[in-house]
Amino acid sequence: QLQLQESGPGLVKPSETLSLTCIVSGGSISSNNYNWGWIRQPPGKGLQWIASIYNSGSTYYNPSLKSRVAISVDTSKNQFSLKLYSVTAADTAVYYCYAQGYWGQGTLVTVSS
Amino acid sequence: EIVLTQSPGTLSLSPGERATLSCRASQSVSSTSLAWYQQKPGQAPRLLIYHTSSRATGIPDRFSGSGSGTDFTLTINRLEPEDFAVYYCQQYGASLTFGGGTKVEIK
Repeated sequence: QLQLQESGPGLVKPSETLSLTCIVSGGSISSNNYNWGWIRQPPGKGLQWIASIYNSGSTYYNPSLKSRVAISVDTSKNQFSLKLYSVTAADTAVYYCYAQGYWGQGTLVTVSS
Repeated sequence: EIVLTQSPGTLSLSPGERATLSCRASQSVSSTSLAWYQQKPGQAPRLLIYHTSSRATGIPDRFSGSGSGTDFTLTINRLEPEDFAVYYCQQYGASLTFGGGTKVEIK
């Protein structure tokens, strides 16, 4: 069974870049043409899709975040990553990595000086 | 961009009752692209239903999904204490969209 685990800093300063990695186990990114993606949930709020990537390299972004987001995949390490640039307090959220119905446990990222 | 609207926002029911949750899309959604999730506090969402009506592995048969086009429904028969949670619908394809959620609370 596919397992996903987010890793990255829990605190990011305003205007800096949020960087997260999702480590995949129990299956190979390169052999599963899943929608590998990132979703976030601000405290007490609903779910917001951020970005997705396929093992072909095709990427898709939420239009509201597209100008600040980059998603990439490293098949050699069986992981994929998210970068969110120029963060503000509004980017404080639990960030989940996701693949075809499988979710990581989530990691809280707080934007604060 | 497809917008999903869930109703009601909150559903107050007693254990043993039936819950009917609605998800309406701003444009037609393929029946193979609609899912439902359950989320409890402090936990990641759990996949309940995919392809509109297929139960995910390990999901009890009291959970069922139906619908087509722009109107989809999640039904929970005979609510158990562990079913009180927030439920989200999701459309998935290259991009994803979530509804705003329905909270099922104990009456």
